[in-house]
Amino acid sequence: GENVEQHPSTLSVQEGDSAVIKCTYSDSASNYFPWYKQELGKGPQLIIDIRSNVGEKKDQRIAVTLNKTAKHFSLHITETQPEDSAVYFCAASLSNDMRFGAGTRLTVKP
Amino acid sequence: DTGVSQDPRHKITKRGQNVTFRCDPISEHNRLYWYRQTLGQGPEFLTYFQNEAQLEKSRLLSDRFSAERPKGSFSTLEIQRTEQGDSAMYLCASSLSAALTPLHFGNGTRLTVT
Repeated sequence: GENVEQHPSTLSVQEGDSAVIKCTYSDSASNYFPWYKQELGKGPQLIIDIRSNVGEKKDQRIAVTLNKTAKHFSLHITETQPEDSAVYFCAASLSNDMRFGAGTRLTVKP
Repeated sequence: DTGVSQDPRHKITKRGQNVTFRCDPISEHNRLYWYRQTLGQGPEFLTYFQNEAQLEKSRLLSDRFSAERPKGSFSTLEIQRTEQGDSAMYLCASSLSAALTPLHFGNGTRLTVT
């Protein structure tokens, strides 16, 4: 089955700096890659997703890139703000089977 | 609020007791998923339904776990003879049945087995 690895496990940045989180996946057939943000006491919330026929997608301060050949994808957050502090999860999906990385705890220091 | 709702939010039970959790998905979503999340980990897939049919179960799901979605709307997850290792956050998610669509998660039920 699919295996998703996520790095780093913790990330601390200064407000205004950029943050990058990287994930790799094992199943080359996976074709959908969402990113979720989870705040304390809440369920994961979708922030951006990318499909396998696209190499990059951007939504305001958030961007995701996908390299299908290397089987890795990354989340980029620019101009970070304290409210970006949360745990971020990448996921890879083929059909009905969505597998998650172990998460990255992002702390944005004011 | 038209999101995924889960009840209860917290459950504390003694080892050996049975517990049941409920999930109400987004109304137009015909897929419903159960995931388990332990501290410092990502959600782990347990099972999923397409309408009322349970189509897939993880090997993680022991015989003590059972899930139902009798009318293709809300779902229940029951854990019998709870063990301390069952302590976790149980997340429900729903989605449309079209391919490449995101899961929408509820805020989970946190189970503590003492």
